[in-house]
Formats: sequence, C-alpha cells, structure tokens
Amino acid sequence: NAGVTQTPKFQVLKTGQSMTLQCAQDMNHEYMSWYRQDPGMGLRLIHYSVGAGITDQGEVPNGYNVSRSTTEDFPLRLLSAAPSQTSVYFCASSYSKVTRGVTEAFFGQGTRLTVV
Amino acid sequence: AQTVTQSQPEMSVQEAETVTLSCTYDTSENNYYLFWYKQPPSRQMILVIRQEAYKQQNATENRFSVNFQKAAKSFSLKISDSQLGDTAMYFCAFGRNSGYALNFGKGTSLLVTP
Repeated sequence: NAGVTQTPKFQVLKTGQSMTLQCAQDMNHEYMSWYRQDPGMGLRLIHYSVGAGITDQGEVPNGYNVSRSTTEDFPLRLLSAAPSQTSVYFCASSYSKVTRGVTEAFFGQGTRLTVV
Repeated sequence: AQTVTQSQPEMSVQEAETVTLSCTYDTSENNYYLFWYKQPPSRQMILVIRQEAYKQQNATENRFSVNFQKAAKSFSLKISDSQLGDTAMYFCAFGRNSGYALNFGKGTSLLVTP
C-alpha cells in the first residue's frame, strides 16, 4: 500500500521556470490538498480538492495552479517560479466522514524546492 | 478562518521524563477534529493522536495522551516516558466538520536529551 506518493523529492529551479509537482494516492480518498512549509510558519494550505473536477484556493494560492482529473492524482503547477516559492511542499489526502468533514490527513514525503 | 496557536516554539525534556506541549485554537463550531502530528528530521508527517470534539473522553495512544478542554479551546499533548526517538517537530492541527483541509499551528520543536 503506497499511500501518498510525491515526486520529485528535491528540485532546484531558476527564477521564471515552470514545473509540476506530482501527487498520487491509492486510498480512494475524496479530499486532496497541497501545503507549503516554511520555517516558523507551520503548514499553510495552497489549494485543495474535494473530488475529481473540483478544486479551490487555500490560504496562499498565488503563483500556483492545480487540477484534479482523477480521484488519484492532484498535481501542483508553479507557473513562473520565484525565490519566495522556495519551500517544502506536502501533498495530503483524507477521507470524509459521512461525506463531510475532514479526518486525519495522510501525507506524502514532501518536496524540497529551491528557486534560485 | 480557524487559527491554531502553539505558544512554545522549542522545548527540551530528559529521557524518561514527561513533557506537555500546548495548543489552543479558535472556532465557533461545535463539532470538529483535532490532531497532533509529529515531523522527525526525515520530514515525514506522522499522525500521533486525534480527538473528535463530540467525545468527552481524552484520546490516548500508548505514551501519548491529550488534555482536551473544549470550553477553553485547549488541546495539549502529553508525552510520558520520553524517548530519544520522540525528538521532532510537533504540529497541532484543526479540522472543521464542514471543511476539506486542516489548519496547522506553527509547531513546537521538541528535543529529548539523554
């Protein structure tokens, strides 16, 4: 049982480059989300999805796009990387309890992204 | 938006001792979930314990237990018989009953010393 798989684990980008962080889960969870973790800031929500075809913005969405064409996959796209996007990114999935309400999140191993 | 506050950025405890990490939160909802996650140096986020707000009984998982005070909006984590492997960052998180993701505190870095 793989759980939540994120790729890549490490990435260095130049300012202005674009890239996609991949996230896949095999637990048939309805909810998926992306967080960024910065020192002293905890985890902050970037975007989330409640099911295939449905996405919405979180606390810090600027500079990122998402889509969810299948239940399993939830990629995060950086459109034009900036040094402020240097961070550790986590993808998470969770099941809803009685079709609403998030239960515990299962996390991928994270991607450390550096933008130079 | 719900806010989660962890007032202790860093803590230290000796092996075999007990330590308590604090967490407070702000919400107007009556039903919700609370979690403690552990993040060791490997960066992996590991669920330690969870509490459902409608349950009055405090959750316990082996050496980990919580003190859930709903009226005070407090959710502290007690680690008994601390082990070197407990050294990690600990995050408190809030999940709304009608929400789709978690709100996290800024974390407490716990160091367990021999």
